[in-house]
Amino acid sequence: GEDVEQSLFLSVREGDSSVINCTYTDSSSTYLYWYKQEPGAGLQLLTYIFSNMDMKQDQRLTVLLNKKDKHLSLRIADTQTGDSAIYFCAPRMTGNTPLVFGKGTRLSVIA
Amino acid sequence: DTAVSQTPKYLVTQMGNDKSIKCEQNLGHDTMYWYKQDSKKFLKIMFSYNNKELIINETVPNRFSPKSPDKAHLNLHINSLELGDSAVYFCASSTGHHPYEQYFGPGTRLTVT
Repeated sequence: GEDVEQSLFLSVREGDSSVINCTYTDSSSTYLYWYKQEPGAGLQLLTYIFSNMDMKQDQRLTVLLNKKDKHLSLRIADTQTGDSAIYFCAPRMTGNTPLVFGKGTRLSVIA
Repeated sequence: DTAVSQTPKYLVTQMGNDKSIKCEQNLGHDTMYWYKQDSKKFLKIMFSYNNKELIINETVPNRFSPKSPDKAHLNLHINSLELGDSAVYFCASSTGHHPYEQYFGPGTRLTVT
């Protein structure tokens, strides 16, 4: 089955860029999602990238995909205190197969 | 107009009891899921239903029984609750077309004492 690895913690200063990394094992992953979980809340879909793309930009978010290395990253520009949360990488093989989550990266933003 | 809702939000109960968690989605999605998030925030799929039919049942004890009375609802019934069942349970639903976005409910925090 798919294994997804993320570093557990990241701390950045407000205004800096944050880069959250993810590696996965299943090369047939077609859709790769990033979810955000704020304390005590559910998971919010942030963005996704399709496997035939290398990059996707959505306002302050940039997703990079290196399919050869099975590496996905999420860059948050101008990180704000409201970005403090746990970020989950979740690849998925095909349409409606369940998501396989990494352990999540806890982003702390220091004012 | 909540997209995916769950009740209750918190559930505290004793070992050995039977409890249910309800989930409803008003997005018109065909596929619904239950995920479990443990105390270390690790999320794992439990069940997946498509058009009221069970399509995925991960290695979950058979004390857990999902029930889908219609496409908009997927309930989770748990018999003989154990301490290790304490977790946050998330319901989710998914579109049936690209990019197959999955939307999560707010979660139910189950505490077994």
